[in-house]
Amino acid sequence: AQSVTQPDIHITVSEGASLELRCNYSYGATPYLFWYVQSPGQGLQLLLKYFSGDTLVQGIKGFEAEFKRSQSSFNLRKPSVHWSDAAEYFCAVNYGGSQGNLIFGKGTKLSVKP
Amino acid sequence: NAGVTQTPKFQVLKTGQSMTLQCAQDMNHEYMSWYRQDPGMGLRLIHYSVGAGITDQGEVPNGYNVSRSTTEDFPLRLLSAAPSQTSVYFCASSYVLRNSPLHFGNGTRLTVT
Repeated sequence: AQSVTQPDIHITVSEGASLELRCNYSYGATPYLFWYVQSPGQGLQLLLKYFSGDTLVQGIKGFEAEFKRSQSSFNLRKPSVHWSDAAEYFCAVNYGGSQGNLIFGKGTKLSVKP
Repeated sequence: NAGVTQTPKFQVLKTGQSMTLQCAQDMNHEYMSWYRQDPGMGLRLIHYSVGAGITDQGEVPNGYNVSRSTTEDFPLRLLSAAPSQTSVYFCASSYVLRNSPLHFGNGTRLTVT
């Protein structure tokens, strides 16, 4: 079955440090890839998405992600983390067909140390 | 813009009780869906709809019913609540194309005792 893996359940970084959250998807034709963020008590909000073209995509709040077909990865990065970035981050993949085929990873919780 | 509105925000039920979680969107989205979120499990799709009168099952449909009589509304019904249905429920909507990002409501936290 097709899947999405976020290997890190919980990551802690210091404010101002760089961040990389990992996302791997199972092999197949280029899927549609998304990163969402969930602040405590809130629904999910789209950070960025990739379908085709330039493999480095920019999103909101200073986030970017790079699609690497050879590694089946779509890692999320931010050069300098702010305390307000503390949240849970979800990678999501749609392998095809309808929106009903969207699969979410289990999420990575980010904590930010002052 | 209201976006996606879910009610109620919190609910406590006793085992065997029924209830309906409400979801409404004002963005004219064809696609609407219900997810449940449990610790360490991510989001799992319960049911979805690609338009009025059309619904389909997701990954975890058992114990839940849905209907879609209008574009705007997509209620989720629990016919006989069980403790295993204790979860946070999210409604999401989008355009039907699979490259369309989902817009989420703020969730309903349901506890079944």
